Amino acid sequence: KNQVEQSPQSLIILEGKNCTLQCNYTVSPFSNLRWYKQDTGRGPVSLTIMTFSENTKSNGRYTATLDADTKQSSLHITASQLSDSASYICVVSEAGTALIFGKGTTLSVSS
Amino acid sequence: NAGVTQTPKFRILKIGQSMTLQCTQDMNHNYMYWYRQDPGMGLKLIYYSVGAGITDKGEVPNGYNVSRSTTEDFPLRLELAAPSQTSVYFCASRQVENTEAFFGQGTRLTVV
Repeated sequence: KNQVEQSPQSLIILEGKNCTLQCNYTVSPFSNLRWYKQDTGRGPVSLTIMTFSENTKSNGRYTATLDADTKQSSLHITASQLSDSASYICVVSEAGTALIFGKGTTLSVSS
Repeated sequence: NAGVTQTPKFRILKIGQSMTLQCTQDMNHNYMYWYRQDPGMGLKLIYYSVGAGITDKGEVPNGYNVSRSTTEDFPLRLELAAPSQTSVYFCASRQVENTEAFFGQGTRLTVV
């Protein structure tokens, strides 16, 4: 069964600190991997998209990595800000059409 | 450019009632999706469409129906609302395979 597992489930960090979120997947055939940020009560907003051949992609203070061999990805957030408090969702695209969502990591940044 | 627009934002239904959740996108995207998000769970695919006139079931289609008569619109129909359909519903669209998917703001539905 195609699955996307994220860890940790939740995380609390101090403003200005860095953090790394993890994503493991079993989706096949694989098309691409996305990271989304979802603020409370809002729809998900795309941060990065990576295809099979891409190892790293950055979007400002967000850097995503992909190891397609081990089927693992990470999202690194640098110099966290209060506005980074949100749910971060790993989404793997199954070749064809479907987007398969992880349950998300809830990040809380405190001052 | 409005992106993906969902209406209504909130709705309370009684058991057995029916309703249609509207979704419109103005980006000329081929692919459109309906997801539901339950508390603490990942988004689950209800139905999707790869173009006008083409729809297919996702992971949790029971109790729902869709149609795609135009590229822009992808309404989701609930015929006999049940408490298990209480959830937040998201519509999304994207152009082709490896492109960004855009999400609407969601419809919070409560069935009582």
